Amino acid sequence: NAGVTQTPKFQVLKTGQSMTLQCAQDMNHEYMSWYRQDPGMGLRLIHYSVGAGITDQGEVPNGYNVSRSTTEDFPLRLLSAAPSQTSVYFCASSYSGHYNSPLHFGNGTRLTVT
Amino acid sequence: AQKITQTQPGMFVQEKEAVTLDCTYDTSDQSYGLFWYKQPSSGEMIFLIYQGSYDEQNATEGRYSLNFQKARKSANLVISASQLGDSAMYFCAMTGAGSYQLTFGKGTKLSVIP
Repeated sequence: NAGVTQTPKFQVLKTGQSMTLQCAQDMNHEYMSWYRQDPGMGLRLIHYSVGAGITDQGEVPNGYNVSRSTTEDFPLRLLSAAPSQTSVYFCASSYSGHYNSPLHFGNGTRLTVT
Repeated sequence: AQKITQTQPGMFVQEKEAVTLDCTYDTSDQSYGLFWYKQPSSGEMIFLIYQGSYDEQNATEGRYSLNFQKARKSANLVISASQLGDSAMYFCAMTGAGSYQLTFGKGTKLSVIP
């Protein structure tokens, strides 16, 4: 099993550009989520989904869109990139998203916005 | 709302010795889960161990054990027989019943000395 696969690993954008970070999992997990990791801030939840067709906002959703058309895929869209979105982005999935269901993370995407 | 506090920004341990990484938490939920993750310098987030709030026994996974003291709201990670490959950032995290957000601490950087 590949687990959680994120692409690309690295990306450089100019301010105002848009892009999509891809995330796919092959564990048949219902719950998927996106986190960003910034120095000194830990990991913060951007958006999450508890199943196909269902998404919700996390702690820091502004500037990002998500959709969940299949169980396997959960892309994250940056609508108009800003330098404040320079970060490492992690996609994660779990069986249910409940408190007894550990998250499994992808390897991350390092995004730089200039 | 949940809060995780990791008071040790960095720690050193001699190879083959045991080390304890501290984690305290705050929540009003009766049901919750506590997790530890390892992030090596390569950047991926690796799930290590889980403890449920109703689990009476401390969780163990190989050389990792979680010292769960519910009344003190602490969930310390104990690594026995440290290895050079244990050098990494370690994050304590939690989520509560009804929440789909994993709240992370700021992490502890562990360095294993040969």
